[in-house]
Amino acid sequence: RKEVEQDPGPFNVPEGATVAFNCTYSNSASQSFFWYRQDCRKEPKLLMSVYSSGNEDGRFTAQLNRASQYISLLIRDSKLSDSATYLCVVPGSSNTGKLIFGQGTTLQVKP
Amino acid sequence: GAVVSQHPSWVICKSGTSVKIECRSLDFQATTMFWYRQFPKQSLMLMATSNEGSKATYEQGVEKDKFLINHASLTLSTLTVTSAHPEDSSFYICSVGAEGVLREETQYFGPGTRLLVL
Repeated sequence: RKEVEQDPGPFNVPEGATVAFNCTYSNSASQSFFWYRQDCRKEPKLLMSVYSSGNEDGRFTAQLNRASQYISLLIRDSKLSDSATYLCVVPGSSNTGKLIFGQGTTLQVKP
Repeated sequence: GAVVSQHPSWVICKSGTSVKIECRSLDFQATTMFWYRQFPKQSLMLMATSNEGSKATYEQGVEKDKFLINHASLTLSTLTVTSAHPEDSSFYICSVGAEGVLREETQYFGPGTRLLVL
């Protein structure tokens, strides 16, 4: 099993739609999780951190299911500007400060 | 979050030349910086962990003699791609570890350097 696994998509949705991405991870000891957003030819930017069962920030909701070892990201009322690649990120083991990146899920919001 | 800069933002060079990329932490003293590489349509792959005042730690499969890392101060790490070849063409991104600033182990990324080797 890959350390972090995502469906690469692309997800093509109309404006205003609700879309959800899932991510599975292999290290059951992981305590924190992150969703990063990466625009084309740009660096990743932190979108949300998840420590307990979930986190909500405006139209974005992240949920964590430790039993099944997956994290989800829900985007409500999609905007054209939400089009990007969303990276699921999990800290590496051994307290090294390393991050393990998923392949990313590409979202394209269409008018 | 931390502000991280990289220079140059893009570079085109001939095969066989060496290219130096600088990563600066502008508002945060970083004992640890990370260097990543990203090929088209792939995710970020960690190349090495840059440690201030000591040798970098390289990931498996990354040649330390080809990718020279120097972290001489708390605000600057450099990556030198020696004798670059076309297969080294990629997007190189550095990041600063946020431990001590935030409780989580997140990182803040520089804008990246796009390298094209002809």
